[in-house]
Amino acid sequence: QVTLRESGPALVKPTQTLTLTCIFSGFSLNTSGMSVGWIRQPPGKALEWLALIDWDDDKYYSTSLETRLTISKDTSKNQVVLTMTNVDPVDTGTYYCARIAPGDYDHFDYWGQGTLVTVSS
Amino acid sequence: QSVLTQPPSVSGAPGQRVTLPCTGSSSNIGAGYDVHWYQQRPGTAPKVLIYGNTKRPSGVPDRFSGSKSGTSASLAITGLQAEDEADYYCQSYDNSLSVSRVFGGGTKLTVL
Repeated sequence: QVTLRESGPALVKPTQTLTLTCIFSGFSLNTSGMSVGWIRQPPGKALEWLALIDWDDDKYYSTSLETRLTISKDTSKNQVVLTMTNVDPVDTGTYYCARIAPGDYDHFDYWGQGTLVTVSS
Repeated sequence: QSVLTQPPSVSGAPGQRVTLPCTGSSSNIGAGYDVHWYQQRPGTAPKVLIYGNTKRPSGVPDRFSGSKSGTSASLAITGLQAEDEADYYCQSYDNSLSVSRVFGGGTKLTVL
C-alpha cells in the first residue's frame, strides 16, 4: 500500500527558508524508475508543479522557481525534502508530494493529503 | 497563466454528457506528450482520473473518458452525477525551457 505524507511548518515569515518533508511507504526510491515530486496549490487557485527527484538522484525544477528550490532524498528514511528559500506571501498554499507512476506513463498516481503553509509576518 | 488552458467553469444537468477541454501547444501536447487528468474535490488531494490520454485507473467509472488530438485534449463525462462536482486538472510534459511537468488552470464542474 503506497502512502505519502507531508510535514512542515504551518507558518513561515517572509524571507525565511521553508523546509518540507515527504515521508512515504509502500515503495522505494532505490528502485529503478521511481520518482517523487512536489506540487503546490495557492488557496482557490490551480495546481503548480514545483520539483521532481528520480531514483538515480536526477532532479528537475520548475523554471520559474528553480533558483529558490532544492529537492533531495534520503532513501534510508524513505523521505524526500523540498527547501524553498526567500519565501513570500505569494508562496502561501497547500503543498503536496506525489509519486510518479512507475512505467510508461508519467502521471502522479499517489498523493499525500497536503500541508498548508502560510507565509506571513 | 498556466501553460495548458482550461475553461474556468463548465456545468451540466444530472445524466447529461459534458466535455472539458485542455488546450496546449507544440511544446507540450502537440509534441506528443501524454495528457493526464485529475479530479479534486474540495478539501482533498487530487486523484488521477485518466492517464496516458485515454487510460482509466482501476476503480474509475467508465463514465469518464479521455481523448487527445493535435495540441488539445479533452475529458468527457457521461451520465453526470452530483458526486462529479469537483475541479478537474489536465497535466502534461513541456519541453520549451526544460523538461518539466505542467498543469492546466483547472475547470470547476458544477452539476446543476
